Amino acid sequence: KQEVTQIPAALSVPEGENLVLNCSFTDSAIYNLQWFRQDPGKGLTSLLLIQSSQREQTSGRLNASLDKSSGRSTLYIAASQPGDSATYLCAVRTQGGSEKLVFGKGTKLTVNP
Amino acid sequence: DTEVTQTPKHLVMGMTNKKSLKCEQHMGHRAMYWYKQKAKKPPELMFVYSYEKLSINESVPSRFSPECPNSSLLNLHLHALQPEDSALYLCASSQDNGINTDTQYFGPGTRLTVL
Repeated sequence: KQEVTQIPAALSVPEGENLVLNCSFTDSAIYNLQWFRQDPGKGLTSLLLIQSSQREQTSGRLNASLDKSSGRSTLYIAASQPGDSATYLCAVRTQGGSEKLVFGKGTKLTVNP
Repeated sequence: DTEVTQTPKHLVMGMTNKKSLKCEQHMGHRAMYWYKQKAKKPPELMFVYSYEKLSINESVPSRFSPECPNSSLLNLHLHALQPEDSALYLCASSQDNGINTDTQYFGPGTRLTVL
């Protein structure tokens, strides 16, 4: 059974700092890994999707990497801003079975002005 | 248009009520999903429709009944719910044309409270 872990559970940084969020998964037989952002009481916003054959994806100040063999992904946020404050969730789509997205519990990020 | 809409935004219902949640997308996506999210927990998959047919039911109690009238609409019919069913219900959609690249787009959710 696929399990997804995100560390840390919460992170507080000053504005302008570069930061890294971590995601690990137990079953490396995945189709893709997706990073989402969720604001309190809101839906999820897709940030980046990395296919299993890819190593990284970039969008603006965000860069996500994937090391499938070790079961790890990182989300790098450059020059953080208060508007980046949210919960960041990673999710993997695992091969076999129902092929559903399995989510981590998220990292709650606070960027202080 | 990359928007998934959900109505209502908030719903309060008694345990004997019957209500429905609605979800709509106009991105031409052929897969639609219902998730349940409790406070401070990740979303949990409930149902998946692919090409308007139910493809996944994650052993959800029968008091939740999904319906996909057409490729743009997804409903979740609620009946005889329990207080522990109170949660944020999220709808999502995806193209369903290549599993490696299939990105799910989420709606804003319906906040459900069962009294």
